[in-house]
Amino acid sequence: GQQLNQSPQSMFIQEGEDVSMNCTSSSIFNTWLWYKQDPGEGPVLLIALYKAGELTSNGRLTAQFGITRKDSFLNISASIPSDVGIYFCAGQSSPGNTPLVFGKGTRLSVIA
Amino acid sequence: NAGVMQNPRHLVRRRGQEARLRCSPMKGHSHVYWYRQLPEEGLKFMVYLQKENIIDESGMPKERFSAEFPKEGPSILRIQQVVRGDSAAYFCASSPPARMNTEAFFGQGTRLTVV
Repeated sequence: GQQLNQSPQSMFIQEGEDVSMNCTSSSIFNTWLWYKQDPGEGPVLLIALYKAGELTSNGRLTAQFGITRKDSFLNISASIPSDVGIYFCAGQSSPGNTPLVFGKGTRLSVIA
Repeated sequence: NAGVMQNPRHLVRRRGQEARLRCSPMKGHSHVYWYRQLPEEGLKFMVYLQKENIIDESGMPKERFSAEFPKEGPSILRIQQVVRGDSAAYFCASSPPARMNTEAFFGQGTRLTVV
């Protein structure tokens, strides 16, 4: 089946630093989504990307949909302690209500 | 507008018992998806349903697992004769009907522990 390779698996950063994580796939995706999951909670949608090359921001978060439609990255600028959590990329292979394929997540730790 | 509601949040079952997990989608959402998450893993798709129809169950084990989304009431994921390997977090997501792009919103999950 389709797989998303997400990296890095984990990151330890100082408060105030910028963070970058990415997701790649061997197949094309129509939609890329980035979610954050806190312990004991469900994933919360951060950013949705719908067009190749699209660059979208949500506060300190910026994500891009790769031109090849096989990759996406998420940047977090000026990290703060509440950024701690697991970040997942998810892809949708065709338009409409197709189920999502998830990466394994990037576990972010922020040191104050 | 309430989000996706799942219950129970935590469920403990002995091996061989049945587990029933419930999901009420967001208002106006007619599409429901169930995912399973093992510790330190991403979410794995199980089944996609619309009202009274199973659209895609390619990720659901053929035996012991079933899902429904009746005309009235929540979607139910049912696991019969649970085994230790069924222990996981089960998440439900919902989305509105979409021709092109859509966003799925997740509930808080049900954490199933089989003892």
